[in-house]
Amino acid sequence: GAGVSQSPSNKVTEKGKDVELRCDPISGHTALYWYRQSLGQGLEFLIYFQGNSAPDKSGLPSDRFSAERTGGSVSTLTIQRTQQEDSAVYLCASSLGLSRRVSYNEQFFGPGTRLTVL
Amino acid sequence: DQQVKQNSPSLSVQEGRISILNCDYTNSMFDYFLWYKKYPAEGPTFLISISSIKDKNEDGRFTVFLNKSAKHLSLHIVPSQPGDSAVYFCAAISPNTDKLIFGTGTRLQVFP
Repeated sequence: GAGVSQSPSNKVTEKGKDVELRCDPISGHTALYWYRQSLGQGLEFLIYFQGNSAPDKSGLPSDRFSAERTGGSVSTLTIQRTQQEDSAVYLCASSLGLSRRVSYNEQFFGPGTRLTVL
Repeated sequence: DQQVKQNSPSLSVQEGRISILNCDYTNSMFDYFLWYKKYPAEGPTFLISISSIKDKNEDGRFTVFLNKSAKHLSLHIVPSQPGDSAVYFCAAISPNTDKLIFGTGTRLQVFP
């Protein structure tokens, strides 16, 4: 499997619990993006990594959301004290990242994690 | 405030006919636009893009048209095939941040 993988594929949690979502990008891809798609909404940008650093965290909806990336590879998105409005499909994408703008033509998306907060 | 809008949530087209998916935007500074296609349970895949210096870009059965004065772009698929049935997202790049801003998507169904 050379594509972007995400785990778990589905996550059901209770309000107030913390969740961790994982993204394994394509090997060698330096740029990594997190998006979410809520019901009836478009894809919403959350955060962008170049290597291990996150030059753009502007899309994170609140301080309950955080993300990290280690070794320039795997990334985890953590949501603390989940709320019902956090229910969405969380998508990860990676690209070679030669430049952020150019990389959009070459983003590869994972299948997403469907998060349901009860 | 939705800067990229796809006002038609769904579209149904007969196989062999033309599919036209529309997208409107509000920020006149957007300078690059992309279309993505998404099948159920899969991530979106890049389809075609256009720079604001052009008004048309063609790739096989897919053509994107840009009307800057109207802040409108459209994706034409001709001839439409059943395998084209998917959700199509329009996106624009914010010039200052290079952030990709998506529309809400249009579900295309191509029937035999």
